[in-house]
Amino acid sequence: GIQVEQSPPDLILQEGANSTLRCNFSDSVNNLQWFHQNPWGQLINLFYIPSGTKQNGRLSATTVATERYSLLYISSSQTTDSGVYFCAVEETSGSRLTFGEGTQLTVNP
Amino acid sequence: NAGVMQNPRHLVRRRGQEARLRCSPMKGHSHVYWYRQLPEEGLKFMVYLQKENIIDESGMPKERFSAEFPKEGPSILRIQQVVRGDSAAYFCASSSWTKATEAFFGQGTRLTVV
Repeated sequence: GIQVEQSPPDLILQEGANSTLRCNFSDSVNNLQWFHQNPWGQLINLFYIPSGTKQNGRLSATTVATERYSLLYISSSQTTDSGVYFCAVEETSGSRLTFGEGTQLTVNP
Repeated sequence: NAGVMQNPRHLVRRRGQEARLRCSPMKGHSHVYWYRQLPEEGLKFMVYLQKENIIDESGMPKERFSAEFPKEGPSILRIQQVVRGDSAAYFCASSSWTKATEAFFGQGTRLTVV
C-alpha cells in the first residue's frame, strides 16, 4: 500500500512564529487532506487539496502531486494551534484514506 | 465535524464484554468509513460501507469485529469479547456520493477496556 511520511514528528514554537509541515507520499493519489486533531481528540478538516494551493486565514497548503508531497503552512501561530496535524491520502485504487503518523505541534505563550 | 455524530463519546467495557459504537453520517452522505487510532499513533482504516453494503473490510480484524450500515438508522461497529488491546479511539467519517473522499469525521468514541 501507499506510504505517507510526515515531518517533523514534533515541533515546538513560540506564539507568533511561522512553521511548515511536510507530507510525502509514495504513489499517485486521488485526494489529499490535512487534519488538525486538537488536544481533546477532535479531528478537524483543514484542507481538501489533491493539487494546487489553498488558503484559509493563517493556514495555507500546497500539494505538488507530480512530486508527491504537500506542505502545510501555519503563520503567526497561536496556542490554540497546538495539537497533532495529520496528512491523509486516498490511493487511486480505492476510497480509503491512509494517514501519516502526524506532526505534534506545541505552541507556547 | 459536528455533522457526523458518534455515540457514546466514551465507553468503558470489561474484558469479554461487547462494545457497540454508533455513527450517524452527515445529512445527504451515503458513505461511511471507520478508523481506529491506537494511543500515540495515526488513524488506521478499518471498513468502508454504503447503505446495506460492505464495500471494503480489508482493515478489519478477522475475528470479533463486525460493521453494518442498515437502510435505516446509524452505522454500527461491534466488537465482541473485548480485550485490552481494543482500547483505542474509533472514528467514523462520512462522505457524499459526488465527493466520495472528502471525508468529514465525527468526534470519535474512546473505548477503554478494563
